[in-house]
Amino acid sequence: KNEVEQSPQNLTAQEGEFITINCSYSVGISALHWLQQHPGGGIVSLFMLSSGKKKHGRLIATINIQEKHSSLHITASHPRDSAVYICAVRSKYGGGGADGLTFGKGTHLIIQP
Amino acid sequence: DAGVIQSPRHEVTEMGQEVTLRCKPISGHDYLFWYRQTMMRGLELLIYFNNNVPIDDSGMPEDRFSAKMPNASFSTLKIQPSEPRDSAVYFCASSWGLAGGTSETQYFGPGTRLLVL
Repeated sequence: KNEVEQSPQNLTAQEGEFITINCSYSVGISALHWLQQHPGGGIVSLFMLSSGKKKHGRLIATINIQEKHSSLHITASHPRDSAVYICAVRSKYGGGGADGLTFGKGTHLIIQP
Repeated sequence: DAGVIQSPRHEVTEMGQEVTLRCKPISGHDYLFWYRQTMMRGLELLIYFNNNVPIDDSGMPEDRFSAKMPNASFSTLKIQPSEPRDSAVYFCASSWGLAGGTSETQYFGPGTRLLVL
C-alpha cells in the first residue's frame, strides 16, 4: 500500500507570501491529486497530474515521478486560500483496486491578512 | 449539473441502530467512490464501483458495513449495527472513466456527518 507523506502539517503565513506544500509517496503511481478542503468541510479537486506541471490561476502543481515527489505552490497568497490541502495518489497498476485514492494527512494552511 | 448529492447531511443515531447513507453521482460518471474521514486517520477509501459493480471493498472496516449501487444514479452505504467508532464524515465521489479503464478527476459530494452516540 502506498504511503503518502505531506509537509508541513501546519503552515501560517502572511498575505502575499509564496506558499509551498510538499508531498512524497512510496510506491509508483498513475496519478497524483491535490485537493482543497474548505473550513466548512467541502472537498474540491484542484489538480490531477501524472507528469510535469500544471497551473491554474495562482496555483501551480509539479510532480517528479523519479523522486516520487510533488509540490503545490500558491503565489500571492490570500486569506481565502486558508484551507486544508490534501495530496492523494492513485496506484500505478490498472485493474481491480487501482482507482481508489490513498490520502496524505493534509496541510492546514492559514493566511493572515 | 448539481454535482454529487449526498443525504442526509447530518445524522445522529444511537449505538446499535442501522444507518443508511445515500449518494447520487454526477450524471454520466461511471465511477463512484465512498470515503470516510476521521481526525485520527484522515481520509480513507472504503469501496468503489465501476459501472455499478463493486471493484474494491478492501477498505470496508468490517461486516457491519455494506454498500450497494443498484443503478448508475444511486448508491447506498449501510452500517448495521452502528457503533460510536463509526462516527466520521462520509464522502461520496464520482468520476468519468478513461479509455484505459482507470478513473479521472474525482468530484466530491458535501459529505454526511455521522455521530453515533
